[in-house]
Amino acid sequence: GQNIDQPTEMTATEGAIVQINCTYQTSGFNGLFWYQQHAGEAPTFLSYNVLDGLEEKGRFSSFLSRSKGYSYLLLKELQMKDSASYLCAVRDTNDYKLSFGAGTTVTVRA
Amino acid sequence: DTAVSQTPKYLVTQMGNDKSIKCEQNLGHDTMYWYKQDSKKFLKIMFSYNNKELIINETVPNRFSPKSPDKAHLNLHINSLELGDSAVYFCASSQDMGTRTYNEQFFGPGTRLTVL
Repeated sequence: GQNIDQPTEMTATEGAIVQINCTYQTSGFNGLFWYQQHAGEAPTFLSYNVLDGLEEKGRFSSFLSRSKGYSYLLLKELQMKDSASYLCAVRDTNDYKLSFGAGTTVTVRA
Repeated sequence: DTAVSQTPKYLVTQMGNDKSIKCEQNLGHDTMYWYKQDSKKFLKIMFSYNNKELIINETVPNRFSPKSPDKAHLNLHINSLELGDSAVYFCASSQDMGTRTYNEQFFGPGTRLTVL
């Protein structure tokens, strides 16, 4: 199975940059996902990494280092609507199950 | 044009009752899931079906029984509800089990279950 750790909460100012770290331990790695979840809503897909390196998608980027069991999600030019919970999830190669971290609640302040 | 839909959105019931939550996806996906998100916001897989066949069955009490009448539907029936069952239940779907490199899951809006 997986052991996934990410910070519980982060606060940043509108227009700033925030980096959410995620570390994981897994018996078989088959990809890492980041999801965004606004309060009271469903999680929505943000990014996917399976190879080492940086994937950029507009204001959001995600990085992966498989040897270190480490990923981060970078949110640039923060907007108030980015206030949400960000979930790191790892897929297992044995059963393709997606295991989620507890989520990081990001609060963006004016 | 809803991709993954669940009914009901809210469910309030007494301990000991039996209830069902329905899920439908119109994305043509092969794989569907049920997740439970507790009060600490921890999202945990319960079941997964691929082409109507049970693939993942986590350590869930056997009071929970999923049923997949066809590829587009995955319902969850819960017997003898307990206080600890109170949570938000999310249905999700993906193109397949994840054998392809890119296989994001699409989540339904969730069903908030409150057991009194």
